[in-house]
Amino acid sequence: GIQVEQSPPDLILQEGANSTLRCNFSDSVNNLQWFHQNPWGQLINLFYIPSGTKQNGRLSATTVATERYSLLYISSSQTTDSGVYFCAVVRDNYGQNFVFGPGTRLSVLP
Amino acid sequence: NAGVMQNPRHLVRRRGQEARLRCSPMKGHSHVYWYRQLPEEGLKFMVYLQKENIIDESGMPKERFSAEFPKEGPSILRIQQVVRGDSAAYFCASSPLALITEAFFGQGTRLTVV
Repeated sequence: GIQVEQSPPDLILQEGANSTLRCNFSDSVNNLQWFHQNPWGQLINLFYIPSGTKQNGRLSATTVATERYSLLYISSSQTTDSGVYFCAVVRDNYGQNFVFGPGTRLSVLP
Repeated sequence: NAGVMQNPRHLVRRRGQEARLRCSPMKGHSHVYWYRQLPEEGLKFMVYLQKENIIDESGMPKERFSAEFPKEGPSILRIQQVVRGDSAAYFCASSPLALITEAFFGQGTRLTVV
């Protein structure tokens, strides 16, 4: 099956710092989303981004489908950004289920 | 429009008991997906249902696990004779169309088997 890798696995930042999270996938996909799981376990959909670049406030994401990776940028991080960031893909012609990466655990310190 | 509602939020079962997890989709959503998150891991797909039909159960364990989404009422994920390895967070998502990318996730049910 498709492999989804995320790096780094853990990241500790000081409030105000910027960061880049990476997602690599091993096969062609027709959909990719970034999620944030907050410390209470809730999953929040950040971006639907099968290709191109999108921005939403301090967050932006870029997917280069031909090279099979996606990047999530967090600028001016805040303590509320803490949690786990997951990338999830849907394989081409493979139904309607996400394959999630293992996540990047982000801790933003005050 | 309330979000995807899962209950209970926390469930404790002894080994050998049955666990029933409920998922009420958002209004107007007829597609439901179940995912399992083991401790310190990402989510893994279990099953995709449409009203009264199982569309894809390729992620469901072969034994003890079953899911349904009746014409009326919530979707139910049922785990019979639970074992310690079933301890996990179980998430449900729903969508109005057969597009997982249009889905919204519930807050999950955390099952602990003691």
